[in-house]
Amino acid sequence: DTEVTQTPKHLVMGMTNKKSLKCEQHMGHRAMYWYKQKAKKPPELMFVYSYEKLSINESVPSRFSPECPNSSLLNLHLHALQPEDSALYLCASSQDGFSGNTIYFGEGSWLTVV
Amino acid sequence: KQEVTQIPAALSVPEGENLVLNCSFTDSAIYNLQWFRQDPGKGLTSLLLIQSSQREQTSGRLNASLDKSSGRSTLYIAASQPGDSATYLCAVSALILTGGGNKLTFGTGTQLKVEL
Repeated sequence: DTEVTQTPKHLVMGMTNKKSLKCEQHMGHRAMYWYKQKAKKPPELMFVYSYEKLSINESVPSRFSPECPNSSLLNLHLHALQPEDSALYLCASSQDGFSGNTIYFGEGSWLTVV
Repeated sequence: KQEVTQIPAALSVPEGENLVLNCSFTDSAIYNLQWFRQDPGKGLTSLLLIQSSQREQTSGRLNASLDKSSGRSTLYIAASQPGDSATYLCAVSALILTGGGNKLTFGTGTQLKVEL
């Protein structure tokens, strides 16, 4: 089962709201990722967690706060977002953080900031 | 900074045709290259992974090649079908040596339409 599950599929939030995106995988993968994809553009890396530790933050604004509670779960906490943050947020995972394994993506969470 | 380009940006072909999608990258120091498919409004589906030491990978009607020294990869789709219509993305991977994980840099994508 090569499945990465993301919830919610769609989220509309105001600029003063606090919300979270959730991601789960049960493949025993130890690296998890958040990507952001704007319309008609390729995905761009935001965060990488390897063995539950933050490995990379691609200079993402602090209004996005990642959390990895355990090896199966990855959250993205959202606060005081801007309309330009509206995008498809993709979660992904790979088996091992130190080798070139296939990276599996979820279906994404569509975020609209109003 | 790694830059990945895909040509063509869009392609429309009749059903049954064989086709080639191209991907080029500027920095040959990659760990592997992965091809994905993305349907409208959906996530990414992994198609093929080629390690940097490999030249070719095959899965069903798909064949991907990699020439690391020249910074090029191609995805060959045989006997195309309407169900192949999607956006195809290549992505090159670099290992994050300090903390672990893979950093994917995506190409600009090729939007494929296979017509009946």
